[in-house]
Amino acid sequence: QVQLVQSGAEVEKPGASVRISCKPSGYFFTNYDIHWVRQAPGQGLEWMGSINPSGGSTTSAQKFQGRVNMTRDTSTSTVSLELSSLTSEDTAVYYCARASSALFYWGQGTLVTVSS
Amino acid sequence: DIQMTQSPSTLSASVGDRVTITCRASQSFSTWLAWYQQKPGKAPKLLISKASNLERGVPSRFSGSGSGTEFTLTISSLQPDDFATYYCQQYNRYPWTFGQGTKVEIK
Repeated sequence: QVQLVQSGAEVEKPGASVRISCKPSGYFFTNYDIHWVRQAPGQGLEWMGSINPSGGSTTSAQKFQGRVNMTRDTSTSTVSLELSSLTSEDTAVYYCARASSALFYWGQGTLVTVSS
Repeated sequence: DIQMTQSPSTLSASVGDRVTITCRASQSFSTWLAWYQQKPGKAPKLLISKASNLERGVPSRFSGSGSGTEFTLTISSLQPDDFATYYCQQYNRYPWTFGQGTKVEIK
């Protein structure tokens, strides 16, 4: 069955960077785009961007451009999200999700806390 | 960017009620509209894709409709398991965007 397993919770200081990984399984890794969605405490869902695991092309919301880097490693079938210049407003649960059309399969979420 | 606006933000209802949530888009598009259900501490669950396509395993009391700039999610007879927050999302054009959410509460 399809699963997306994310890395564990992170605590970072303001100004630092964080890297979250997402390992899909149960299907051919390069067949579907992986998207990143975050949710600040008590807030709604925010789409951050996506990566095509086949060619590695990415697209991201303008809000995050210059600060987000999405990569994939085909040897380990893993995708990663790196977010730099963290502020307290980046404290959120970060989800990876697989698209066929809409986002059917989701990871369990990774809590990133930005605190001095 | 396509802005998605849901109404109401909060909805109080009783078991057995018919519930309708509306999602309005700032730009018209065809049917690339999804609905998700989210419970506290859990990842969202896809209920409906392409505006009206019920995903496998989703109870038939859920239905979706609409196109253009107005879409609706209807729960025909609210069940205890349905008390949650619901989000619409357009995936017609990047950046994908979500509505702000509708919390369905017990009346």
